[in-house]
Amino acid sequence: AQSVTQLDSQVPVFEEAPVELRCNYSSSVSVYLFWYVQYPNQGLQLLLKYLSGSTLVKGINGFEAEFNKSQTSFHLRKPSVHISDTAEYFCAVTPSDTDKLIFGTGTRLQVFP
Amino acid sequence: DGGITQSPKYLFRKEGQNVTLSCEQNLNHDAMYWYRQDPGQGLRLIYYSQIVNDFQKGDIAEGYSVSREKKESFPLTVTSAQKNPTAFYLCASRQRGFTDTQYFGPGTRLTVL
Repeated sequence: AQSVTQLDSQVPVFEEAPVELRCNYSSSVSVYLFWYVQYPNQGLQLLLKYLSGSTLVKGINGFEAEFNKSQTSFHLRKPSVHISDTAEYFCAVTPSDTDKLIFGTGTRLQVFP
Repeated sequence: DGGITQSPKYLFRKEGQNVTLSCEQNLNHDAMYWYRQDPGQGLRLIYYSQIVNDFQKGDIAEGYSVSREKKESFPLTVTSAQKNPTAFYLCASRQRGFTDTQYFGPGTRLTVL
């Protein structure tokens, strides 16, 4: 069975500092990878996705992620965070043999002034 | 504006009552999904539908029912058989391809008293 692990449930960081949110997955088949952001009491919004090709993917709001097949990871990074980046971030995968989206448990990013 | 509408935003029900959550999309997407979100558990799939008049159980379908009579509508009924129905419910849709992005509605917060 496939699974997604987000090791950090909370990540506190000061404004303008860099941040990395970690995501690892387990799957016996190839996967497509996604990062979503959720602001309080709202739905999810896609930040970026990896389907194929270049392993470095750039998304909205200055975020980027790198797919590492050997380490089965898809970590999300931003070189300088803003207060407005405070939100919950979800990593998700779609195995190539299913239509389902499998989510990690989320990482709450808290940006302090 | 194209998008997904969920209504109502907040819903309160007495224990033992069935309640139906609405989800409508005007994106002309084939597939629609219902997720349940609880703190610290990420999103869990309840039901999904890839085509009108057809739907499949997700990981936590017990105590829920759905219908898909129209392409744009996918209502979810939370029945009295659901042991712990208080949660945030999210509807999503996407074109049928595995690589397509799932777009999410704003969610409905259900509280059972």
